[in-house]
Amino acid sequence: GAVVSQHPSWVICKSGTSVKIECRSLDFQATTMFWYRQFPKQSLMLMATSNEGSKATYEQGVEKDKFLINHASLTLSTLTVTSAHPEDSSFYICSAREGGHTEAFFGQGTRLTVV
Amino acid sequence: GNSVTQMEGPVTLSEEAFLTINCTYTATGYPSLFWYVQYPGEGLQLLLKATKADDKGSNKGFEATYRKETTSFHLEKGSVQVSDSAVYFCALSGNAGNMLTFGGGTRLMVKP
Repeated sequence: GAVVSQHPSWVICKSGTSVKIECRSLDFQATTMFWYRQFPKQSLMLMATSNEGSKATYEQGVEKDKFLINHASLTLSTLTVTSAHPEDSSFYICSAREGGHTEAFFGQGTRLTVV
Repeated sequence: GNSVTQMEGPVTLSEEAFLTINCTYTATGYPSLFWYVQYPGEGLQLLLKATKADDKGSNKGFEATYRKETTSFHLEKGSVQVSDSAVYFCALSGNAGNMLTFGGGTRLMVKP
């Protein structure tokens, strides 16, 4: 089956620093990638949708200047949390979908802790 | 807009018990329906899916039938195991094949 690899699986950073999370599709071309955020014991909240080569579309309430998304190739998207603060601590999950397909495959998730 | 409602957990069962997790949805057109499973500390894994009315998705003993008349996609398993303990998410993808809309998740705990 299709594999999506997300890295790192966990990261601890100091308040005010930036953190980059990578999401790679290993065996298919991901024309669309999605970034979700999940708070403890809650469901996934879509943050943004990105299509390869285009600017990401952010959901209402998500700060695009804080959560920078780059989808420069068909196999890689990155989410950069800029000037991270403790309230940004969360579980971030990416998913990727190949063009023309309805099924999206998920990465393993990244647990971000800002101290 | 699209929405998914699933039963709140946690659901606690003994091993070999029958499982039902209810899921209903609201959507325009003909969405595809999915069940995802999330084990502790991990991302989501697709468990099963159905793309049109009356389709039955099945995998690892789990089943769910796409019921358009009741807008439901309930997850069932005849005999749960301790290893099935996880959080289960019902989700839909609209006509345009865009983003997934998730239910709130249901935590299942299976005791030996």
